[in-house]
Amino acid sequence: EAGVVQSPRYKIIEKKQPVAFWCNPISGHNTLYWYLQNLGQGPELLIRYENEEAVDDSQLPKDRFSAERLKGVDSTLKIQPAELGDSAVYLCASSTRQGGSTGELFFGEGSRLTVL
Amino acid sequence: AQSVAQPEDQVNVAEGNPLTVKCTYSVSGNPYLFWYVQYPNRGLQFLLKYITGDNLVKGSYGFEAEFNKSQTSFHLKKPSALVSDSALYFCAVRRSGSSNTGKLIFGQGTTLQVKP
Repeated sequence: EAGVVQSPRYKIIEKKQPVAFWCNPISGHNTLYWYLQNLGQGPELLIRYENEEAVDDSQLPKDRFSAERLKGVDSTLKIQPAELGDSAVYLCASSTRQGGSTGELFFGEGSRLTVL
Repeated sequence: AQSVAQPEDQVNVAEGNPLTVKCTYSVSGNPYLFWYVQYPNRGLQFLLKYITGDNLVKGSYGFEAEFNKSQTSFHLKKPSALVSDSALYFCAVRRSGSSNTGKLIFGQGTTLQVKP
């Protein structure tokens, strides 16, 4: 079974440039999450989707961050414009609805962003 | 507010010796508790969970964890460490209730180094 796939794995951009990250969840997983992991810290939830609906985006900085999951499968997380403090690893995870209830998330390898 | 503390940035043990990675939590209501492991350049992997029931829970790769309500702790343990257990370990908590699905609060992580 294929795991959660993220791309790109690494991205280096200059500040004020836009950047986008893509995530393909495990087949059949209705719930998709974007987490932010700063260096030396644990992941923090940015947004959670149930199918195509964003059911929890309270931690997403909406002035520069946006996300979409148009067909309830793949998702894209965008930052525009990027700031120096956005340098971090962006993790995508997915779960079944039951798995989400019991905390069993499946994480991708992450997209490491460096903003210069 | 919910929080998780992992008091040790790094734990060093010799192969074959028992290991303990400490975690304490703060959450109102009944906690759901989790351990995840992150190997270098890999995504986080679910190890084990405590939802309810027996305070000692067993998980993948021979790991177990003990829930202690009075001490608000959920320490990860293994009777005999392997070099291959060397990785970054995250403790996580979430409040019970469907509105908190997938909203894990992670600790800052503990690096486990097992030496041959």
